[in-house]
Amino acid sequence: DAGITQSPRHKVTETGTPVTLRCHQTENHRYMYWYRQDPGHGLRLIHYSYGVKDTDKGEVSDGYSVSRSKTEDFLLTLESATSSQTSVYFCATRLTDQGTQYFGPGTRLTVL
Amino acid sequence: EDQVTQSPEALRLQEGESSSLNCSYTVSGLRGLFWYRQDPGKGPEFLFTLYSAGEEKEKERLKATLTKKESFLHITAPKPEDSATYLCAVQGGATNKLIFGTGTLLAVQP
Repeated sequence: DAGITQSPRHKVTETGTPVTLRCHQTENHRYMYWYRQDPGHGLRLIHYSYGVKDTDKGEVSDGYSVSRSKTEDFLLTLESATSSQTSVYFCATRLTDQGTQYFGPGTRLTVL
Repeated sequence: EDQVTQSPEALRLQEGESSSLNCSYTVSGLRGLFWYRQDPGKGPEFLFTLYSAGEEKEKERLKATLTKKESFLHITAPKPEDSATYLCAVQGGATNKLIFGTGTLLAVQP
């Protein structure tokens, strides 16, 4: 367990509103990831970070942005939420680029 | 394109009835194959990492094996508490990203 927390754990919002999800880790892991999990699709990578202020896109990055100003925090922002972004969002961290990836408890986001 | 396929999608076992879950993969230059367990409403929990064909790892009633094309998660004499979704993921090539399968939902009946 890498000491990963996510906030909020549940959120209901309306289409068109901005939303920010937070991931906080206490293990000083270099790499951090944001995934979404939807039935029939498994876990899909949205964005990831390989260091403070170093981020890159994953396979489903459209409509999402991220920021990492401190090692321990990785923020995921939906600039203008859409119903297609209703999902469960997981943060993950790993110490090295080949090490074990540890997951947070998830955030359930509903966009009405 | 890197790809992971898990089968079956769902599996129902009686307590004590051993079975195996399959993870087939195509990846250029495997750097690691990962198994996770996920309980409803929770994040995936790490089980095993396998790096090369022929490697095996065990934990309690679970044993993971790896060949050049697939991995098996063998469950021996399962108990109801083994009920969960089991996820497989691979990392290949020069990327640090994991590609996940859609999982196998295992239900063990007492």
